[in-house]
Amino acid sequence: AIRMTQSPSSFSASTGDRVTITCRASQGISSYLAWYQQKPGKAPKLLIYAASTLQSGVPSRFSGSGSGTDFTLTISCLQSEDFATYYCQQYYSYPPTFGQGTRLEIK
Amino acid sequence: EVQLVESGGGLVQPGGSLRLSCAASGFTFSSYAMSWVRQAPGKGLEWVSAISGSGGSTYYADSVKGRFTISRDNSKNTLYLQMNSLRAEDTAVYYCAKDTYSSSERTRPLNAFDIWGQGTMVTVSS
Repeated sequence: AIRMTQSPSSFSASTGDRVTITCRASQGISSYLAWYQQKPGKAPKLLIYAASTLQSGVPSRFSGSGSGTDFTLTISCLQSEDFATYYCQQYYSYPPTFGQGTRLEIK
Repeated sequence: EVQLVESGGGLVQPGGSLRLSCAASGFTFSSYAMSWVRQAPGKGLEWVSAISGSGGSTYYADSVKGRFTISRDNSKNTLYLQMNSLRAEDTAVYYCAKDTYSSSERTRPLNAFDIWGQGTMVTVSS
């Protein structure tokens, strides 16, 4: 199975900050990479797929980039509702696998 | 509105069985592959199983292969997960999730999950 590694595992930031989360695949996955946001007690929500395509309805302050093995999720100007846990997921091959998650907390 | 609603979770003893259901609405259910994804308490996401829109192709994580069976009834717009020989490590919230692309749109067998249900909790304990 392809291993997905996110960094950092957690960090603190303030409203208005620009933040970047990275995700590395253990082998090349082209651009078959998705990002999800999950808030406590809620289901994950798709933010970005195909590494950089914004899902309908997701604010434009979210963006994704990368291909091959290295990917990033950037939030350009943190809002209060963005404090959550973020997961990357590869869908290049079965089994689809997720990163361990990045918990974004308020500083 | 596109919606997925899981049911069937609960407390079961080790070695027991449970069947989860996921009722879909707001889209042409038979046109989309569906998956089950679980999340153990305080842990990350783990994909469990997937099934094609027709039901003709199924996929399983190694951790559940031979114990879990995914199926669907397209006439009832419902996805199922039959879980047998349950273990403590199967304790998790189980989510059903919809494939991003329909069978006519997709160019590959695996895609991101654009719609998730609210989840149903399965606890395996004596």
